[in-house]
Amino acid sequence: DIQMTQSPSSLSASVGDRVTITCRASQSISSYLNWYQKKPGKAPKLLIYAASSLQSGVPSRFSGSGSGTDFTLTISSLQPEDFATYYCQQSYSIPLTFGGGTKVEIE
Amino acid sequence: QVQLQESGPGLVKPSQTLSLTCTVSGGSISSGGYYWSWIRQLPGKGLEWIGYIYYSGNTRYNPSLKSRVTISVDTSKTQFSLKLSSVTAADTAVYYCAREVSYGSGTQIDYWGQGTLVTVSS
Repeated sequence: DIQMTQSPSSLSASVGDRVTITCRASQSISSYLNWYQKKPGKAPKLLIYAASSLQSGVPSRFSGSGSGTDFTLTISSLQPEDFATYYCQQSYSIPLTFGGGTKVEIE
Repeated sequence: QVQLQESGPGLVKPSQTLSLTCTVSGGSISSGGYYWSWIRQLPGKGLEWIGYIYYSGNTRYNPSLKSRVTISVDTSKTQFSLKLSSVTAADTAVYYCAREVSYGSGTQIDYWGQGTLVTVSS
């Protein structure tokens, strides 16, 4: 299985901050990397697919980059509704695997 | 707008079989290019992909669960189902059904159900 490692596991930030979350794959996954946002009691929401493509309807403050083994999710200006847990996920090979999550909390 | 809704018992006894159904509305389960998936979130932990089924009936499972998992589809009812046998407390989780859509050689999960908590306990 491909292991996905996210860092940090949690972070505190303020509204308006620029936030960067990293995700590392245990082997090259090309650009087959997706990012999801999850809030308690809610289903995950797709933000970014294919490493850098913004899902329809997702605000442009979210962006993704990277290829191979190293990826980043950036929120350019954190908004109150962005406090959530973020997961990366690889679709390069079965089984699909997720990172452990990064919880973004209010500072 | 595609919607998915899980249904099934919220409590299952150890050693029994967990059975869940996902009803799809707002879209055809028989459309090519989509994979109908089950994913779970163990308490306080991350997300685990269980497997998926294509409308043709082809399946892929997580090897860690493969010996216990069966995913089936009923296109006439626009439903797909999960069966997980010989459950233990370690299978207690929120179970999500979802739709994966392919792009190139990869997939993304673009629609999710709300999730249903299944507790394994006697």
